[in-house]
Amino acid sequence: DAGVIQSPRHEVTEMGQEVTLRCKPISGHNSLFWYRQTMMRGLELLIYFNNNVPIDDSGMPEDRFSAKMPNASFSTLKIQPSEPRDSAVYFCASSWGTVYGYTFGSGTRLTVV
Amino acid sequence: GENVEQHPSTLSVQEGDSAVIKCTYSDSASNYFPWYKQELGKRPQLIIDIRSNVGEKKDQRIAVTLNKTAKHFSLHITETQPEDSAVYFCAASTGFSGGYNKLIFGAGTRLAVHP
Repeated sequence: DAGVIQSPRHEVTEMGQEVTLRCKPISGHNSLFWYRQTMMRGLELLIYFNNNVPIDDSGMPEDRFSAKMPNASFSTLKIQPSEPRDSAVYFCASSWGTVYGYTFGSGTRLTVV
Repeated sequence: GENVEQHPSTLSVQEGDSAVIKCTYSDSASNYFPWYKQELGKRPQLIIDIRSNVGEKKDQRIAVTLNKTAKHFSLHITETQPEDSAVYFCAASTGFSGGYNKLIFGAGTRLAVHP
């Protein structure tokens, strides 16, 4: 298995632009999680899905952030409009049931200038 | 909701020494406690985990202990090597009836192993 696949690996954008981050979970995993990592705030859980349904989006910082999971093999995290304070590494992770831990993707390093 | 405290934030040891990282959690219903290692510029990777029905688990040079009464768990690394240098995260979760975990992470410990 190729693991959790995220794209792009790096994204540099100007303030005010729309940014879309993509994630393909491991085949067969039924849960998907989006995390944001910064030096100041560590690993923050933004939103998670179970069987493609959003369960808890209380970690989404503002209405500028939205996430979708149209099917079991794809999820997006969108920021519109982006701001410099959104600069961080965004990780997607997937898991199966409650038996195993998460597998993280390689992350997307977002820089908003 | 769950809150996980992790100490110390940085740890420096000499090669061959042991390293211990400690975490406490707030939700007594938490039943799954994984540890992740994150090397610079890489993704967090699961290195060991423990469930609430077990008090200790060992895998070669790493071990994890769990004290449910005190709500704390620890990572022990023996005979440390330079390649153990990384940031280590503890996490805690409660399994939900829907069949998924929600992991809450500690702030991380930056471990430096000096030759």
